[in-house]
Amino acid sequence: AQTVTQSQPEMSVQEAETVTLSCTYDTSENNYYLFWYKQPPSRQMILVIRQEAYKQQNATENRFSVNFQKAAKSFSLKISDSQLGDTAMYFCAFMKHATTGANNLFFGTGTRLTVIP
Amino acid sequence: DAGVTQSPTHLIKTRGQQVTLRCSPKSGHDTVSWYQQALGQGPQFIFQYYEEEERQRGNFPDRFSGHQYPNYSSELNVNALLLGDSALYLCASSLLVRGNQPQHFGDGTRLSIL
Repeated sequence: AQTVTQSQPEMSVQEAETVTLSCTYDTSENNYYLFWYKQPPSRQMILVIRQEAYKQQNATENRFSVNFQKAAKSFSLKISDSQLGDTAMYFCAFMKHATTGANNLFFGTGTRLTVIP
Repeated sequence: DAGVTQSPTHLIKTRGQQVTLRCSPKSGHDTVSWYQQALGQGPQFIFQYYEEEERQRGNFPDRFSGHQYPNYSSELNVNALLLGDSALYLCASSLLVRGNQPQHFGDGTRLSIL
């Protein structure tokens, strides 16, 4: 079974500063995908960034980057130049590789991030 | 380009009743997954539909059932509602043939059981 752990229930950061959200996971799979999703009060789950386990290079998406440590089963999200609009719940998610289609996502319990003006 | 749409936005039911939630996938998507998100928790996978059949299922009782129509839209049905079924129900869609692509989520239906 796959488990995803987010050990930081809440975090805060000053506007324009950098913050790192932690995520660890447990799996016996070798081929899988990791995601960070953002859920603002509007409730919609928005994809922030995606990492393929077979890629050693860490994914980046504008101000968002990850530190993927496969051996340690760690997948942290770094948000640079934090903006007020980054205030949201952030969920780390795991997905096994599928030969067709997409398998289901396993989510962590989330980290509530507040960006302070 | 229409995203994933869910209806209704909010719903209030009493214990023992039955409820149907609806989802239209993102344009061009053919696979629909349903998740339950209890307050303060991450979403948990209920089941996934493709070609009008249940393709995968999570650890949820038979009270939770679903359906997918030829136009790819989907319904989630919950019978004999319990207080513990109060949650945000999220629908997500993807395209099967593209494989391993991120799922796109709707805004969810907030279900409250009294």
